[in-house]
Parts: sequence; structure tokens; C-alpha cells
Amino acid sequence: EPEVTQTPSHQVTQMGQEVILRCVPISNHLYFYWYRQILGQKVEFLVSFYNNEISEKSEIFDDQFSVERPDGSNFTLKIRSTKLEDSAMYFCASSETAGTGELFFGEGSRLTVL
Amino acid sequence: GENVEQHPSTLSVQEGDSAVIKCTYSDSASNYFPWYKQELGKRPQLIIDIRSNVGEKKDQRIAVTLNKTAKHFSLHITETQPEDSAVYFCAVHAGGTSYGKLTFGQGTILTVHP
Repeated sequence: EPEVTQTPSHQVTQMGQEVILRCVPISNHLYFYWYRQILGQKVEFLVSFYNNEISEKSEIFDDQFSVERPDGSNFTLKIRSTKLEDSAMYFCASSETAGTGELFFGEGSRLTVL
Repeated sequence: GENVEQHPSTLSVQEGDSAVIKCTYSDSASNYFPWYKQELGKRPQLIIDIRSNVGEKKDQRIAVTLNKTAKHFSLHITETQPEDSAVYFCAVHAGGTSYGKLTFGQGTILTVHP
């Protein structure tokens, strides 16, 4: 069964450093997303991406965040200057359609900012 | 924006009992209502979903009911088993031009005692 894959599974970084989280969505999917989950809390939407541009973003997705699809397979989330409160599990997801289609989540990348 | 409330936050049942988790939402244009199961340290996995033109959907021991007028939907698990123990999240898709953005509830920790 096709899966969304994410790397790294865990990254530890110092406050102020840049971090790039990588995702390979399911190959025939057109819509890509990043969500985050702070430990013990709910899953929160960060950004959606379609046709090589951001479709929608939340208030969390400020100027420190950016997304990119540098080639035909990868989808990346960059945090320019990490803060302690960026520590969370970051889930990439993809879907075949927007709206009422199933989102397929990756296993997540745990980011720890010290 | 969409506001999703989920209750209860924790639910403890004996094996074989039924479990019911409820969610309310605020945006009457919402049109897609998935439920996710998340085991510790794992990705959210879709277990059942319902669309706004349907009132009830069942898949073996799991069912979801939707009341659009009252803006609430519920997850029903019958004949619970210890392997049903996990965190369950409801989610809502806002519809319109929302490109697959899901707003999640706070989660319910379900514990099934053998």
C-alpha cells in the first residue's frame, strides 16, 4: 500500500537554527499538507499546497515557516530560526482530491528544540 | 474559523462494552467529518468518515452518526477490545475553498480494560 514517508524521524536542534523536514507524498496525490502536534495536544493544521503554491495557511504558519516542492517527489517544510515552542511532531499528509477526500498521514518527524 | 469541541477527554470501558465519543462544530458549511485513531507515537489513521449528505455510516464495530442541524457527530464503537485503546480525534473539513484543511478536536483517550 502506498505511504507518505517522512525524514528525519527525529531531529534535535538548537534554538535559532534552521530545520528542514522532508516528505515524499503518495505519487498520484496532488494536494499536500503539513500539520503539527505538540505533545499531548491535538493535531493542528499548518499549511496546504497545491499546484506549486500555498492554498491555505494557519496563523501558526508565520514568516519563519516555508514550504517547497523542489522536485517531482519531495515536499519540504523549513523553519528558518527555530524557537523552543516549535518542538512538536510534524506530520506531512497528502490527498488525491481537496475537500472530502481522505488525508494520508506520514509517520511524523519529531522536532526537539533545545 | 471552525471550532471543534470533543467530549469526553478520557473514556474508560470494560472489554465488550460500547464507547461513544461526541464532537460539535461551528461552521454550518462543513461537509466532511473523519475520525482518526492515533496510537502512542504513531500517525493518525482514518477509521471512518462521513459526508454531509449522509446521516449514518457503519463499518463492522464502528459507526458514525451526523446531525447537521445540531452540528454534531458521534463515533460509536461496539464490543470494544483492548486493541481499541488509543486516542481518537474527530475532525471537520470546512468546505468551500478550504483545500483539505481539517480542524481537529482535542482528542479522547479511550482505555479498554480486559
